[in-house]
Amino acid sequence: GAVVSQHPSWVICKSGTSVKIECRSLDFQATTMFWYRQFPKQSLMLMATSNEGSKATYEQGVEKDKFLINHASLTLSTLTVTSAHPEDSSFYICSALFPGQGAGEQYFGPGTRLTVT
Amino acid sequence: SQKIEQNSEALNIQEGKTATLTCNYTNYSPAYLQWYRQDPGRGPVFLLLIRENEKEKRKERLKVTFDTTLKQSLFHITASQPADSATYLCAQGRGSGGYNKLIFGAGTRLAVHP
Repeated sequence: GAVVSQHPSWVICKSGTSVKIECRSLDFQATTMFWYRQFPKQSLMLMATSNEGSKATYEQGVEKDKFLINHASLTLSTLTVTSAHPEDSSFYICSALFPGQGAGEQYFGPGTRLTVT
Repeated sequence: SQKIEQNSEALNIQEGKTATLTCNYTNYSPAYLQWYRQDPGRGPVFLLLIRENEKEKRKERLKVTFDTTLKQSLFHITASQPADSATYLCAQGRGSGGYNKLIFGAGTRLAVHP
């Protein structure tokens, strides 16, 4: 149980275009999902917290107008990288908070490799 | 600001031995610590969670300890196997309400040699 999927698993786009990444909890409902970014050999950095039915909460230094998050249902959150630039190339990972767990076990998706040319 | 520190050097051990990975944190004591496994190009996989009032937690060949005096958590894999080779991440959270933000360490890469 507790499976989280991401789509696409990798994407290459041209500079200036937008890319949408989907994160789905397949066998449970998640009111809260998180979006992380990971550069090579570095730790996961939390970008934003996505709450179903409300606006996302962004971490300091993350541009909310550039990284648009929509959590339209209890099983789906999307991250759209707008006007992508080469420096946005990274490994984007989502996670979903498993319900009913007081301390919050997060289940992660397999990640999306974004390359901006 | 709060930091999670893990040994950035890879840990190489022989199959069958016990692997011990260290996670140190600064400043405040977290409500809990979590350990994850990450394989190259994949998302992290949850392994164990230990709360601040717990000294030790076990799951099959895995054992985690939490020492709030030393501000340290140790992660042990007994009877290690080559399949245990991966990067292991330590993460801390502060629990309250409906969700919790995690701060991750950079991870320690473990290589188990046959």
